[in-house]
Amino acid sequence: QKEVEQNSGPLSVPEGAIASLNCTYSDRGSQSFFWYRQYSGKSPELIMFIYSNGDKEDGRFTAQLNKASQYVSLLIRDSQPSDSATYLCAVKKNNFNKFYFGSGTKLNVKP
Amino acid sequence: KAGVTQTPRYLIKTRGQQVTLSCSPISGHRSVSWYQQTPGQGLQFLFEYFSETQRNKGNFPGRFSGRQFSNSRSEMNVSTLELGDSALYLCASGDSYGYTFGSGTRLTVV
Repeated sequence: QKEVEQNSGPLSVPEGAIASLNCTYSDRGSQSFFWYRQYSGKSPELIMFIYSNGDKEDGRFTAQLNKASQYVSLLIRDSQPSDSATYLCAVKKNNFNKFYFGSGTKLNVKP
Repeated sequence: KAGVTQTPRYLIKTRGQQVTLSCSPISGHRSVSWYQQTPGQGLQFLFEYFSETQRNKGNFPGRFSGRQFSNSRSEMNVSTLELGDSALYLCASGDSYGYTFGSGTRLTVV
């Protein structure tokens, strides 16, 4: 069983819509959760992180964490074509900086 | 504030050779991690260094090694290169709030 699972997509949404990206993790003891965005040919860049159950909002992005269900999601409101990228979910289990990454979900935002 | 700097950006090597990749973390970051990214396997953790000590190691063969210097700069070495080592090698520095990745070194083994 993989540590972090993501649907590879592609997920296609029209411009202006809400894109919902999902991630599940296997280790119930995981401590913190991260979303990265990776454009083709570029390195991943951190969008946001979340530690506690519930929602965390940053601009057009909202991360949601449900530890009981071992589920993390990222909502992108008012999606733009520039949001088209692969979104990587990452999980950190302990105090060491070892992150487990999902394989990523490819998002296409159509004008 | 300068980001994470990786050199070189591109490398072409022949099977059996060895290669050394370099990474300079963000100033003040003592933790440096290395990842291999391939289309089939995604991002896979190689190792993490903190204050010149390897704290974590992923499931890679002993041909993959690394070290960190007192100024936090890190190097990664791959010996006896195989075709399957062709990948994007990413270095990241950071803390509990997440990593910042460098631009990566694209290694092609022919």
